[in-house]
Amino acid sequence: AQRVTQPEKLLSVFKGAPVELKCNYSYSGSPELFWYVQYSRQRLQLLLRHISRESIKGFTADLNKGETSFHLKKPFAQEEDSAMYYCALNVRAQKLVFGQGTRLTINP
Amino acid sequence: DVKVTQSSRYLVKRTGEKVFLECVQDMDHENMFWYRQDPGLGLRLIYFSYDVKMKEKGDIPEGYSVSREKKERFSLILESASTNQTSMYLCASNPQANTYEQYFGPGTRLTVT
Repeated sequence: AQRVTQPEKLLSVFKGAPVELKCNYSYSGSPELFWYVQYSRQRLQLLLRHISRESIKGFTADLNKGETSFHLKKPFAQEEDSAMYYCALNVRAQKLVFGQGTRLTINP
Repeated sequence: DVKVTQSSRYLVKRTGEKVFLECVQDMDHENMFWYRQDPGLGLRLIYFSYDVKMKEKGDIPEGYSVSREKKERFSLILESASTNQTSMYLCASNPQANTYEQYFGPGTRLTVT
């Protein structure tokens, strides 16, 4: 079955602390994974994708095929990182499967 | 700049009513999608369309239908609204050549009473 699991509905960390949002997937093929973010009162938007191996707003995510994970990390959280984060898997052309989402709150 | 617009930000309808949610994109994208967003369930795909008059069921199509008569417009129809269809509905689009980034609209918060 094609599935994306984000085990944490809510995550709260202090400003300056490291952040890790967990994402695990189930997929028989070669996975293509993404992180989308929705800030308060804004549209859902792409944050980063694994094939680009880039850092966006200080966030990185590494695909670990052995552990079937794609965790999102940032070494030092900032208050503007507070948002809803979704992990997504491209299961076939044009079709994304999203995880349940994690609401990240950065405390001052 | 990609723009995806949805006809209403908030909508309140009664049980049994026929409901139309409209989505328009101005970037000549071939693909358009309808999702519902529920707390704890994330985004779930209802229907998508990869061309005019073409549609394909997503993961939760029951109780919904869609229409794509023009490339820029994708409509979601609730034939007979029910309270369990109270949700946030998100429309998205992307070009045929782009298989990863979907561009989302602002959402329509539908309440069925």
